[in-house]
Amino acid sequence: KAGVTQTPRYLIKTRGQQVTLSCSPISGHRSVSWYQQTPGQGLQFLFEYFSETQRNKGNFPGRFSGRQFSNSRSEMNVSTLELGDSALYLCASSLAVNRGSYNEQFFGPGTRLTVL
Amino acid sequence: SQQGEEDPQALSIQEGENATMNCSYKTSINNLQWYRQNSGRGLVHLILIRSNEREKHSGRLRVTLDTSKKSSSLLITASRAADTASYFCAIISGNTPLVFGKGTRLSVIA
Repeated sequence: KAGVTQTPRYLIKTRGQQVTLSCSPISGHRSVSWYQQTPGQGLQFLFEYFSETQRNKGNFPGRFSGRQFSNSRSEMNVSTLELGDSALYLCASSLAVNRGSYNEQFFGPGTRLTVL
Repeated sequence: SQQGEEDPQALSIQEGENATMNCSYKTSINNLQWYRQNSGRGLVHLILIRSNEREKHSGRLRVTLDTSKKSSSLLITASRAADTASYFCAIISGNTPLVFGKGTRLSVIA
């Protein structure tokens, strides 16, 4: 099976712009989660989607949003970029069998976003 | 906080030695997972241990869980240079998603 893929792998934007990141989960996985990783804050949970519905959301401002499509592919969007949004954005998929289960997460390679 | 906290923050050992990392948490958990991350890349799942389990093995990895002390340990035996990475514990509590700690940076010197 193909692993989790994320596009693009690297991205450079300037303050005020917006960005959309894409994640394709492992075939058959219905749960997709997004994380932000920075040296100072570590790995922080952004949100999780299960069958096109946002199941959980982390403590991030409304500039961060996401969605999931019927084929489980997911996108996250960050509007009005700030310097502090520079980070590695990781997507993970999981074979969650129901809404209440959190099992092994399979991570993609990440998108390195740099905001200038 | 539900976050797991790894200890030590950094560990440097010689190839062939054993490496032990610890994770402490504050809430009741459903399961606890360990992940590895090579520099700047995605995380790789190592082991999942459920709250009713005390020990699990996978190759050179051994994970223990003590729910009374709210702690877990990851032991890597006969370490190799390729084990150099950051190791994270992640806890699952109730219906909340994985909450990761800050990680332990392991350096294995050949």
